[in-house]
Amino acid sequence: SQELEQSPQSLIVQEGKNLTINCTSSKTLYGLYWYKQKYGEGLIFLMMLQKGGEEKSHEKITAKLDEKKQQSSLHITASQPSHAGTYLCGADAGNTPLVFGKGTRLSVIA
Amino acid sequence: EPEVTQTPSHQVTQMGQEVILRCVPISNHLYFYWYRQILGQKVEFLVSFYNNEISEKSEIFDDQFSVERPDGSNFTLKIRSTKLEDSAMYFCASCRDYAETQYFGPGTRLLVL
Repeated sequence: SQELEQSPQSLIVQEGKNLTINCTSSKTLYGLYWYKQKYGEGLIFLMMLQKGGEEKSHEKITAKLDEKKQQSSLHITASQPSHAGTYLCGADAGNTPLVFGKGTRLSVIA
Repeated sequence: EPEVTQTPSHQVTQMGQEVILRCVPISNHLYFYWYRQILGQKVEFLVSFYNNEISEKSEIFDDQFSVERPDGSNFTLKIRSTKLEDSAMYFCASCRDYAETQYFGPGTRLLVL
């Protein structure tokens, strides 16, 4: 079965700093999803990547999928307190139920 | 913007009791899912539902669980006889078409005592 490893598990950054979260899959990805979860709340969809080498941006968040489609990174530029939360990567391994990583908990301090 | 809604937001129940968790998926979506997240753990797939039948289920989804779409809008998850280990956050998700983005509801936090 497919496994997703996220790193780091947690991250504390100062407001205004850049950061990167990684997600590595044990198998080739058909689709890679990034979601954000605030504590005790639902998952908010951020971006989906499907093609090797694809890169998408939304506001200050950029996600990339590598050429081999086994690793994705999420980069936040000039972090703000509103970016705080847990970032989850989810994989579509060729069927529709998603498999998730454990998440990366991001704290942004002033 | 359309969103997935879930009720109740919190549910406390005694072990052995039946619970029904309710979801209203986005209106033009055709595929529906239940996931759960035990505190501190990964979000795990339970079941997917399409065309009024289960299309896939995980090994977690045993005989104690059932799903139903009783009308054109609601999608429910029933746990017949709750166990302590069923305590978790339960998320409903829906998507418009196969392999499209799944949109998640805010979750129902279930506590079994």
